[in-house]
Amino acid sequence: DGGITQSPKYLFRKEGQNVTLSCEQNLNHDAMYWYRQDPGQGLRLIYYSQIVNDFQKGDIAEGYSVSREKKESFPLTVTSAQKNPTAFYLCASGTVGNQPQHFGDGTRLSIL
Amino acid sequence: AQSVTQLGSHVSVSEGALVLLRCNYSSSVPPYLFWYVQYPNQGLQLLLKYTSAATLVKGINGFEAEFKKSETSFHLTKPSAHMSDAAEYFCAVTLNSGGYQKVTFGIGTKLQVIP
Repeated sequence: DGGITQSPKYLFRKEGQNVTLSCEQNLNHDAMYWYRQDPGQGLRLIYYSQIVNDFQKGDIAEGYSVSREKKESFPLTVTSAQKNPTAFYLCASGTVGNQPQHFGDGTRLSIL
Repeated sequence: AQSVTQLGSHVSVSEGALVLLRCNYSSSVPPYLFWYVQYPNQGLQLLLKYTSAATLVKGINGFEAEFKKSETSFHLTKPSAHMSDAAEYFCAVTLNSGGYQKVTFGIGTKLQVIP
């Protein structure tokens, strides 16, 4: 079955450390997205990509970085510059020109 | 600019009762509107979407929503709640502008179904 795989499910970050969240899809979707979810705030867009080797900042990109070297993969790095990284991170994909159609099951990031 | 407001962060209904989750939108141009559902520790699943065709949209799991331009609303309903409907529901809006569609999500409504 096609879908989106996010790993790991739980991740802990130490002070000053960068961590990378993985997102892989086998749906042949061109567009991929990263959202951050905090209680009572809904989803906020971090980065999105509509094509390989191109990506755009969303509403809360500061302290995060991404790459899109392959159509199937869109990893998110949470850098030490992100001072409040504790959240639930969701990756999504879809066809260009449409809304996010499929979501992964998320990665929960916490601070040690 | 576009936004959605979900009235009620928590809603409780009895099993078998009507489910009504409220969503109002703000958009300067005709919008696309969506409802997503999220079960605990999972991603979001698209329930239904409105894209300017029929104003009454039927989705999965027996849910439907009606687009009312005069009220700027897109409320989600289900005639009879099941225990399995307990989840968090998100209303979302995007502009019909072609190319990349920026989706704005509401803060979510947690639905509790009481046996």
